[in-house]
Amino acid sequence: GQQLNQSPQSMFIQEGEDVSMNCTSSSIFNTWLWYKQEPGEGPVLLIALYKAGELTSNGRLTAQFGITRKDSFLNISASIPSDVGIYFCAGQRTNSGYALNFGKGTSLLVTP
Amino acid sequence: NAGVTQTPKFQVLKTGQSMTLQCAQDMNHEYMSWYRQDPGMGLRLIHYSVGAGITDQGEVPNGYNVSRSTTEDFPLRLLSAAPSQTSVYFCASSYSLRNTEAFFGQGTRLTVV
Repeated sequence: GQQLNQSPQSMFIQEGEDVSMNCTSSSIFNTWLWYKQEPGEGPVLLIALYKAGELTSNGRLTAQFGITRKDSFLNISASIPSDVGIYFCAGQRTNSGYALNFGKGTSLLVTP
Repeated sequence: NAGVTQTPKFQVLKTGQSMTLQCAQDMNHEYMSWYRQDPGMGLRLIHYSVGAGITDQGEVPNGYNVSRSTTEDFPLRLLSAAPSQTSVYFCASSYSLRNTEAFFGQGTRLTVV
């Protein structure tokens, strides 16, 4: 599958700080998705992006579909302890059987 | 709503044993898939199905079989377990191939000794 480069690998921040993470690829994707996984659980969809340049918010989360269609960004504003988890980006290309390719994840720790 | 249900949650196998991981969804989703998650590797697609009777291979299909006899169920079979198959397995479903907003089960943690 197509490798997605997700960074940073981990983040350790204080409550109230803003967080940014991103995902890049050498190939174009038609859809970008951001998931959050908590310990012992499956990933849960946070935001879905379907169009280049699209900027979408979900509460304190904002994600963007890069104009080149090769990258995506996720921002979390005013972080709280329950934001702790692993955040995954996933991309889909319609010419590859619609399979989702996942990044390796960003582990987020938030201290009160 | 149950969503996507996976059983068992935990399993220990000896090398060479076979077993079936169960996955069921009650959302009438067409598209179902199996992923494995290994530390530092993200999720990798094993097999997927676009509807009853139709399955296809993903990125890492070797050592696994699937079938889709009903819309609801998508079991994953390990034919002869190997230590390299120690992993956490996730089943996911989505409404259709184009609607990629996948719902995941809680996972099965498999250890092969």
